Amino acid sequence: DIVMTQSPDSLAVSLGERATINCKSSQTVLYSSNNTNYLTWYQQKPGQPPKLLIYWASTRESGVPDRFSGSGSGTDFSLTISSLQAEDVAVYYCQQYYSTPTFGQGTKLEIK
Amino acid sequence: QVQLVQSGAEVKKPGASVKVSCKASGYTFTSNYIHWVRQAPGQGLEWMGIINPSGGSRSYAQRFQGRVTMTRDTSTSTVYLELSSLRSEDTAVYYCARGGARGGGDFDYWGQGTLVTVSS
Repeated sequence: DIVMTQSPDSLAVSLGERATINCKSSQTVLYSSNNTNYLTWYQQKPGQPPKLLIYWASTRESGVPDRFSGSGSGTDFSLTISSLQAEDVAVYYCQQYYSTPTFGQGTKLEIK
Repeated sequence: QVQLVQSGAEVKKPGASVKVSCKASGYTFTSNYIHWVRQAPGQGLEWMGIINPSGGSRSYAQRFQGRVTMTRDTSTSTVYLELSSLRSEDTAVYYCARGGARGGGDFDYWGQGTLVTVSS
């Protein structure tokens, strides 16, 4: 299975500041035939199921605020929140589906 | 609107089996895969397997092979997860999630989760 490793495990950022979460896969998740990274990002708030934020590494799901952006290709990816809002406090997960789906361990984002 | 509604919480003894349901609505049931993902208390997300509601084909994560069965009922737009030989480590919230249109492994809608507690 592809191992997904996120960093950091937790992050505290001031309101209005930028937050960046990294995700590294143990092998590529870029499907060369269509140049697509099978990498998604989810946000999970306490007591709720995860919510899809980003798919194909950099495409925002409908309705997701544009302060959320994804980048990267191959094995190295990032999720950036450009200006942290109070409602963004959550745990964030990356996930690959190039092969059997696997998730990163999660990054807990808090307000400093 | 798309909804996945799961059955209620369960308490089971070690060695027993549990069956969780996930009823889909708001879209054509046979058009999207359904995945099952679980989350132990305070832990991360773990993929368990996938079922194709159209033909019923399924694939399970290796670590659950032999203990998990996923089925579907097209007449009620419901998928089921059955996990047998339960042990305390199976205590978790079990989620069904719909495979999206971007390859099928992006989970665009989730059920509310079903807490399964395994305790003697």
